[in-house]
Amino acid sequence: QLQLQESGPGLVKPSETLSLTCTVSGGSISSRSYYWGWIRQPPGKGLEWIGSIYYSGTTYYNPSLKSRVTISVDTSNNQFSLKLSSVTAADTATYSCARYTSLGYCTGTSCEGYFDYWGQGTLVPVSS
Amino acid sequence: SSVLTQPPSVSVAPGKTAHITCGGDNIADKSVHWYQQKPGQAPVLVVYDDSVRPSGIPERFSGSNSGNTATLTINRVEGGDEADFYCQVWDTNSDQAIFGGGTKLTVV
Repeated sequence: QLQLQESGPGLVKPSETLSLTCTVSGGSISSRSYYWGWIRQPPGKGLEWIGSIYYSGTTYYNPSLKSRVTISVDTSNNQFSLKLSSVTAADTATYSCARYTSLGYCTGTSCEGYFDYWGQGTLVPVSS
Repeated sequence: SSVLTQPPSVSVAPGKTAHITCGGDNIADKSVHWYQQKPGQAPVLVVYDDSVRPSGIPERFSGSNSGNTATLTINRVEGGDEADFYCQVWDTNSDQAIFGGGTKLTVV
């Protein structure tokens, strides 16, 4: 059974960089049918996609966050990571990692798909 | 990029049928996926590719997609179905995943 687990600091100060790692177990992050994504949810609000990465390193970012986000992959350790710079209180949220399965409906540089396995999520407050 | 519109809330009596909609321009041209999220828990995929149920999801959950509206239908609603539901698409024009704003299902 595939499992994803987020890890990282439980508190980040304003203007600093939020860093999280997702460890994948029970399957290989290098599988060709899957991408790996980060999604966040501010307290009491809806889901917001942050970005996704393919094992080859190809990345896709939410345009509203793109200038502050970096997602990377470490295939040797079956992990992928998120860095969000210059955080403010508005970045306080539960951050979740998830596996994205491609349906194979591809146009241009990306493919339609869905998030079928999720980590439990980790709440990251931004506060001084 | 696409915008997905969901009603903030839907109420239904136990045993009845709930319909949760997800509106978007020509959404029928995209594959729509649905997630159920109970308080304090991670989202769970309940329908993908418009109408396919993942293994372990009850047959009471079904989906459809036509025109500008995708719909998640829950038959014979139970108290345990109370949750927030989100629709999601991948926009290949802008290379991004888009979630609807979410719908709170209340069983009254």
